[in-house]
Amino acid sequence: NAGVTQTPKFQVLKTGQSMTLQCAQDMNHNSMYWYRQDPGMGLRLIYYSASEGTTDKGEVPNGYNVSRLNKREFSLRLESAAPSQTSVYFCASSETGGSVGEQYFGPGTRLTVT
Amino acid sequence: EDQVTQSPEALRLQEGESSSLNCSYTVSGLRGLFWYRQDPGKGPEFLFTLYSAGEEKEKERLKATLTKKESFLHITAPKPEDSATYLCAVPSGGSYIPTFGRGTSLIVHP
Repeated sequence: NAGVTQTPKFQVLKTGQSMTLQCAQDMNHNSMYWYRQDPGMGLRLIYYSASEGTTDKGEVPNGYNVSRLNKREFSLRLESAAPSQTSVYFCASSETGGSVGEQYFGPGTRLTVT
Repeated sequence: EDQVTQSPEALRLQEGESSSLNCSYTVSGLRGLFWYRQDPGKGPEFLFTLYSAGEEKEKERLKATLTKKESFLHITAPKPEDSATYLCAVPSGGSYIPTFGRGTSLIVHP
């Protein structure tokens, strides 16, 4: 079991460029999440997908879009990157309902926007 | 507004020196409190779930406890490999999705 995998691990973008962060899980979880982690700010939820076919905004969705491609895969897209989006991005998955807080995280993507 | 506050922000211990980390919350209708460990350059790793006041969970040198307003993560006789950032998370806003605290960075010196 690979758990939660993310690609790429590192990325440098110029302002205005676009990119898609990929995430996949092999634990048959229904729910998937995208977070960003910044120094002093902790983990903040960008978007989540409670189940295949649904997506919802989290705390900081502006500038991002997501696609729940199937039960295993959940991608995050930056259409026009800005320096404020420099961060570490984590994908996570979980069961639904009361087990949502027991999340399994990927290794992260370190993104720098210049 | 629901809040999750962790203290201290950073903690340095000598190997074998026991201590506690605090997570206080102001959520109404607690739907669980979750502890995670995060090593540098890695994603958070789930440790414990606590659901009701008085509940305790243990794993090796770690013990998590819960009251109606806060949770403690007790570290007994820590080792350098316990060095990490410890995150607390609580579901808020009527959702099951947790809000994370900013974490406590723990360094254990040999």
